[in-house]
Amino acid sequence: DQQVKQNSPSLSVQEGRISILNCDYTNSMFDYFLWYKKYPAEGPTFLISISSIKDKNEDGRFTVFLNKSAKHLSLHIVPSQPGDSAVYFCASIRGHNTDKLIFGTGTRLQVFP
Amino acid sequence: DAEITQSPRHKITETGRQVTLACHQTWNHNNMFWYRQDLGHGLRLIHYSYGVQDTNKGEVSDGYSVSRSNTEDLPLTLESAASSQTSVYFCASSESMASGSSYEQYFGPGTRLTVT
Repeated sequence: DQQVKQNSPSLSVQEGRISILNCDYTNSMFDYFLWYKKYPAEGPTFLISISSIKDKNEDGRFTVFLNKSAKHLSLHIVPSQPGDSAVYFCASIRGHNTDKLIFGTGTRLQVFP
Repeated sequence: DAEITQSPRHKITETGRQVTLACHQTWNHNNMFWYRQDLGHGLRLIHYSYGVQDTNKGEVSDGYSVSRSNTEDLPLTLESAASSQTSVYFCASSESMASGSSYEQYFGPGTRLTVT
């Protein structure tokens, strides 16, 4: 049972345009969400997070939006750069009684010139 | 600088052999986690530990074991390696929830294991 879903395995975007990566979750008890970025042959690195008490969090070119009623979050990258080409994982946690993250299957983003 | 390291980075072993993958962190984190990454499955939790002498099973724990004798290390052992365990393995650590952390986990560089 996949509690965190990333339905698009890949996304291709032109440099300078917006990249939108989507993530859906099934457990309404999740109250914290994170995005990780992974380059080949490296471990995932934390990118940005959002608490369920917010609907938006911004950090430079990266913005995460949370729609609790739809159980949906998205990561916007504006403007996209070739160095953003990587696999992006969303992750969720029910923070009150566990420190375990539940990861989605990932979306491979390719930013071309 | 604090870091989390894994060794070896690459390992080829034969079916039936016991294999141990090392994970060492200098963040002084209480929490440590082992994941495997497979195409189409993302990162799946194998085992985790919330402190010394504490270990817990994750969603794909069959055939794996861990032990936590100190804060810094969480070795992952494959008791009898199987071809289905060919994968990339990641270790991660984080502060405990009780510390008011952001739940961010710090990952090691990964170990690519091939079971022939």
